[in-house]
Amino acid sequence: DTGVSQDPRHKITKRGQNVTFRCDPISEHNRLYWYRQTLGQGPEFLTYFQNEAQLEKSRLLSDRFSAERPKGSFSTLEIQRTEQGDSAMYLCASSWGLAGLETQYFGPGTRLLVL
Amino acid sequence: DQQVKQNSPSLSVQEGRISILNCDYTNSMFDYFLWYKKYPAEGPTFLISISSIKDKNEDGRFTVFLNKSAKHLSLHIVPSQPGDSAVYFCAASRGSGNTPLVFGKGTRLSVIA
Repeated sequence: DTGVSQDPRHKITKRGQNVTFRCDPISEHNRLYWYRQTLGQGPEFLTYFQNEAQLEKSRLLSDRFSAERPKGSFSTLEIQRTEQGDSAMYLCASSWGLAGLETQYFGPGTRLLVL
Repeated sequence: DQQVKQNSPSLSVQEGRISILNCDYTNSMFDYFLWYKKYPAEGPTFLISISSIKDKNEDGRFTVFLNKSAKHLSLHIVPSQPGDSAVYFCAASRGSGNTPLVFGKGTRLSVIA
């Protein structure tokens, strides 16, 4: 069963460093979403792609956040000049859009700790 | 402005009894609703969904009810099992799921043996 995978699962970094996370969606899924979850909250939407096109990025938390999906398969989320407030779980989800009711399936997440 | 609300942060239920988790929403444009279960240090796992054209959807021990006029949905788990202990998130979207999900804050369910 090849679900959504994310790498790394955990990342500890020092404030000011750049980090990059990778997401591999379910292979036939054309849509890929990034969410962030902090303690005591539900996942919060950041950005999403349909194939390689980034359809919504206004919810990215600041210009330090950027995401790519260069060939419409895997995606990366980069945070530049990390701050302690960036510490959170970063979740990726994928779905098959254009098929009526669309269910998003989540990966295990990348837990980021900024010291 | 929280568009999806889960007003009970936690719920304890005895094994074998019914668990009822509630969710309210404010955006009348939402037309697709989902429930996810989450264990610590894992991503959310999809449980069950319902479209706004229905008022009930059932899958094994899990049933979701939707009351559009009240903008309220609930998840029933019968019978509850200790393995059901987790955080449950309600999520909503527009366009039959064609937009990003809006999540509630979750309800922590504890099923006591």
